[in-house]
Amino acid sequence: QKEVEQDPGPLSVPEGAIVSLNCTYSNSAFQYFMWYRQYSRKGPELLMYTYSSGNKEDGRFTAQVDKSSKYISLFIRDSQPSDSATYLCAMSAWNTGNQFYFGTGTSLTVIP
Amino acid sequence: DAGVTQSPTHLIKTRGQHVTLRCSPISGHKSVSWYQQVLGQGPQFIFQYYEKEERGRGNFPDRFSARQFPNYSSELNVNALLLGDSALYLCASSLRQGRVPQPQHFGDGTRLSIL
Repeated sequence: QKEVEQDPGPLSVPEGAIVSLNCTYSNSAFQYFMWYRQYSRKGPELLMYTYSSGNKEDGRFTAQVDKSSKYISLFIRDSQPSDSATYLCAMSAWNTGNQFYFGTGTSLTVIP
Repeated sequence: DAGVTQSPTHLIKTRGQHVTLRCSPISGHKSVSWYQQVLGQGPQFIFQYYEKEERGRGNFPDRFSARQFPNYSSELNVNALLLGDSALYLCASSLRQGRVPQPQHFGDGTRLSIL
C-alpha cells in the first residue's frame, strides 16, 4: 500500500467552479501537510502548509485535514484558467527522517 | 529574491555514464533535499542535507550520492546510469532542519534522459 494515495484525474471544470482535490494516507504519524501546484515543465510551487487537523484559508484556497479519517482536501474557489496545473499533496512527520511523501498528483484543467 | 536554481536544465546521457546535477538554495536556506520525479508520478525523496551532513536518505541505490558545500549549494551524483533513471530531478531548500518538518521550496529541476 502506498503511503499517500491521490486520484490522478484528469479533472476538468468550467471557470468559476469550486474545485475539490483530495488525498488519503496510511501513516497515522503524519502531522504536517502540504499542497503544491506544478505547471508543466516547472517545479512544484508551495500553496499551503498545515499542521495537524483543521482548516486553513489563504485567498481562494482552503486546506482541510481530517486526521481521524486520514484524509486531506484542497478547495479552490472561483477557479480560473490559470489554476490549470497538476496539484500534489505531500506530508511528513517528525519521525520520518526529514522525508516528505508525495501523492501522484491530480491534473486539473479549468475551461474558460 | 532568487529562488532555488538548478543546473543544467536538460541533460542527455547514455547507459553506464555518470552525471552530476547542481543546486543553489534560496539565500538564507541551509537545508537542501533532492527528489526524483518520474513522468506521471509525484516526487520521491532521495536525500536531505543540512549543514553539510546527510540528514535523511530515501530508498535509492548506492549509485546515488550527494554532498553539500559550505555555501549550502549541493550536488547530486548518479553513477552507472540506467534507463530507469530518466526523470526530472528536483532540488528543494528550506530554512533549517529540525524536529518539525519545514516547508520546502523547489527549483524547476533538471530533466535527465538516458538513451
